[in-house]
Amino acid sequence: KQEVTQIPAALSVPEGENLVLNCSFTDSAIYNLQWFRQDPGKGLTSLLLIQSSQREQTSGRLNASLDKSSGRSTLYIAASQPGDSATYLCAVSNSGNTPLVFGKGTRLSVIA
Amino acid sequence: DVKVTQSSRYLVKRTGEKVFLECVQDMDHENMFWYRQDPGLGLRLIYFSYDVKMKEKGDIPEGYSVSREKKERFSLILESASTNQTSMYLCASSFSGSRYEQYFGPGTRLTVT
Repeated sequence: KQEVTQIPAALSVPEGENLVLNCSFTDSAIYNLQWFRQDPGKGLTSLLLIQSSQREQTSGRLNASLDKSSGRSTLYIAASQPGDSATYLCAVSNSGNTPLVFGKGTRLSVIA
Repeated sequence: DVKVTQSSRYLVKRTGEKVFLECVQDMDHENMFWYRQDPGLGLRLIYFSYDVKMKEKGDIPEGYSVSREKKERFSLILESASTNQTSMYLCASSFSGSRYEQYFGPGTRLTVT
């Protein structure tokens, strides 16, 4: 059964710092991997989707990489801002119709 | 823009009541999902559907049922609400295939007293 782990559970950084959030998964036969952002009490907002054939995806200050063979993904946030404070969740799918399996998230605080 | 809407942001119900949570998406997505989110436990899948009138159990279906009579609408039903069903309920939808993201609604915070 697929399991997704995110480390650390919480992270606090000063504004302007570049940072990396980690995600690992136990079954490397994934279909795709998705990174989400969740603000307190709100739904999830999709940030980036990486298909299994891809190595990375970029959107603005965000860059997500995927290494299927080692079962790892990282989300890189450049020049962090207080508005980036949120919980970031990683999720994987093992086929086109199967639901996502989520990690428990990393709660990020960017201090001004 | 993809839009997934949920019928209520906040809901308070009494133990034993039958509760309906509605989810509507406007992008003709085949797949729809219901999750619940609890502190320390993360998101857990309750039910999902990959076509009209189709449903599949997720990890925690006990105490819940679902209905998908139309493609755009996926309803979660709590047959007899209990206090341990107090939670944040999140609906999501997507197209089939690896290129497609899953989109979430704003969530319904349900409290059962």
